[in-house]
Amino acid sequence: EDKVVQSPLSLVVHEGDTVTLNCSYEVTNFRSLLWYKQEKKAPTFLFMLTSSGIEKKSGRLSSILDKKELFSILNITATQTGDSAVYLCAVEAVGGSEKLVFGKGTKLTVNP
Amino acid sequence: ETGVTQTPRHLVMGMTNKKSLKCEQHLGHNAMYWYKQSAKKPLELMFVYNFKEQTENNSVPSRFSPECPNSSHLFLHLHTLQPEDSALYLCASSQVGTGDEKLFFGSGTQLSVL
Repeated sequence: EDKVVQSPLSLVVHEGDTVTLNCSYEVTNFRSLLWYKQEKKAPTFLFMLTSSGIEKKSGRLSSILDKKELFSILNITATQTGDSAVYLCAVEAVGGSEKLVFGKGTKLTVNP
Repeated sequence: ETGVTQTPRHLVMGMTNKKSLKCEQHLGHNAMYWYKQSAKKPLELMFVYNFKEQTENNSVPSRFSPECPNSSHLFLHLHTLQPEDSALYLCASSQVGTGDEKLFFGSGTQLSVL
């Protein structure tokens, strides 16, 4: 059975800290790994990763995929209170979004 | 705004009520989805519609009945729900067949079943 495990489940940091969120997966016929940020209700897309070792970057956020060890990390540097959210990791198997498997998410709280 | 609109935002219903959740996407996508998000559980895929045809029904109880009249609109009809059905119901859309099939989510309907 396909599985996505995120860690930690929750994390509390102070503004300015750097955080690393982890996502490991077991999926048949891997196609891509996606990160979403869920602040209130609607998850919003952050990154899609398909190749190992290629870092994707957007401002203070970056992510990388290791297809050999079956995991990805999401880094956030110089955290701000606006980064507080649940970060969801999902893995897409061949067949497209119909086969998107989500992890439980990491709840990040950034205190001032 | 993600281009996916869901109504209502909140819904409280009794176990004998019938209600419907509505989703509309303004992105020109060809696939739409219903997900259920319960506390401390991963997002669970409920239904998938590709080009208005249902392609996935993830063992969802029959008290949940989806309807997709066209590629822009998706409904979830609810009847005789149970308290354990209380959850956030998220609608999403994507463009299947392009190789870039990331999901765009609506803000969800927070459902409470009393």
